[in-house]
Amino acid sequence: AQSVTQLGSHVSVSEGALVLLRCNYSSSVPPYLFWYVQYPNQGLQLLLKYTTGATLVKGINGFEAEFKKSETSFHLTKPSAHMSDAAEYFCAVSLGRGGADGLTFGKGTHLIIQP
Amino acid sequence: EPEVTQTPSHQVTQMGQEVILRCVPISNHLYFYWYRQILGQKVEFLVSFYNNEISEKSEIFDDQFSVERPDGSNFTLKIRSTKLEDSAMYFCASSVWDRGLAFFGQGTRLTVV
Repeated sequence: AQSVTQLGSHVSVSEGALVLLRCNYSSSVPPYLFWYVQYPNQGLQLLLKYTTGATLVKGINGFEAEFKKSETSFHLTKPSAHMSDAAEYFCAVSLGRGGADGLTFGKGTHLIIQP
Repeated sequence: EPEVTQTPSHQVTQMGQEVILRCVPISNHLYFYWYRQILGQKVEFLVSFYNNEISEKSEIFDDQFSVERPDGSNFTLKIRSTKLEDSAMYFCASSVWDRGLAFFGQGTRLTVV
C-alpha cells in the first residue's frame, strides 16, 4: 500500500518569496507522483507529475518538483510566489500498476501568500 | 480544451433519499474514477471503473454506492440512501491510461440534511 504525508497543513509566504511545500511518500514499488492544485470553489488541476526519467519535473505556473528516491520525497517549489498562487495543494501517489489504479492523496497544504 | 464535466454543481438532499451524481468524462479516456472530499479533509479515492466494470474500490465504497456508465458517455455515481456523513464534494476524473494521469471535474457539492 502507498501513502503520502504532507508536512504543514498551512504554509504562509510573502509575495516574491520562495515557496516550498513538502511531500513524503511510502510505496512498495517505484511510484508515480503528482501535485494537484485546488483553487477556491474549483476542482483539482494537475500541476506536474513524475513517472520516469528526469527527477526534476517542471509544471505549470512556474512550479517544479524533484523526486528524491533516497529521501522518499517529492517537494514542490516555486522561486517567487504570486498572490494568485494562494490555493490548496495536494501531493498524490499512484502505483501505476496494470489495470486501473486510484490516486492516494495527502491531506493537502493550504498556501497563503502575504502581500 | 477537453474537460471533465459534472452535474449538478451543488445538490441538497434529505437523509435517506437516493442521489445520482453525473459526470461526462473526456471522450477518448478509458478509465473513470470517483473521489470525495469531506469539508476540511483530504481527497479520498472511492472507485475506479474500466471496461464497464469496477476495477478497484476503497472501504468507503460500500453497498450504498454504485457506479454506472449507462450510455457510453455519462458516468454516474449513485448513493442509494444518503446519510449525513455523505455530505462532501464529489469529484469525477478520467484518464487515458491507468497511470493516475487523471483529469478532474469541477466537483459536485452534495449536502445531506
